[in-house]
Amino acid sequence: DAMVIQNPRYQVTQFGKPVTLSCSQTLNHNVMYWYQQKSSQAPKLLFHYYDKDFNNEADTPDNFQSRRPNTSFCFLDIRSPGLGDAAMYLCATSVAFGSRGQPQHFGDGTRLSIL
Amino acid sequence: DQQVKQNSPSLSVQEGRISILNCDYTNSMFDYFLWYKKYPAEGPTFLISISSIKDKNEDGRFTVFLNKSAKHLSLHIVPSQPGDSAVYFCAACGDSGYALNFGKGTSLLVTP
Repeated sequence: DAMVIQNPRYQVTQFGKPVTLSCSQTLNHNVMYWYQQKSSQAPKLLFHYYDKDFNNEADTPDNFQSRRPNTSFCFLDIRSPGLGDAAMYLCATSVAFGSRGQPQHFGDGTRLSIL
Repeated sequence: DQQVKQNSPSLSVQEGRISILNCDYTNSMFDYFLWYKKYPAEGPTFLISISSIKDKNEDGRFTVFLNKSAKHLSLHIVPSQPGDSAVYFCAACGDSGYALNFGKGTSLLVTP
């Protein structure tokens, strides 16, 4: 089945220690997104890639970076995680923007804990 | 600044009855709306959407109604089934054509 896969499902890191979350997709979608969702909050878009073009949301902290080496993979790097970065991180994909409001397909998320 | 609001954190409905989940938005530039369903330990899955040129869209047991003047939409599930128990997120899309603004979700419990 075509899908969006996030690894690991659970990640624990130490305060200030860089961490990388990964996402892969078999849908061959042009667009990949990263969202942050804190407890009982709405998912918040951090950035997205349209093919290789990177688009950062205005309020995404500089501490968060992303890489997309090819169509299938996208990584979220947190350079110096703080306690406030503990959250569920969701990866999503969609076809190109051609028609508005294309549904996004989500992975099951990575829950990040900071010690 | 929450532009999409789901004011009911939870809702409990008996099996077979109608579930109505509500969503309000503040940005008049939003023109496409989507509902997602999320089970525990899984990512959100797309359920149904509606464009602002319509006021109703139906897919099986699920119907979404849009009232643009009130900036309000609702998701109706009829009849509700225990398997519908999940968190439902409302999302809206505007000028960008891609960025989704999500509400905080409503947790629906359908009891037998």
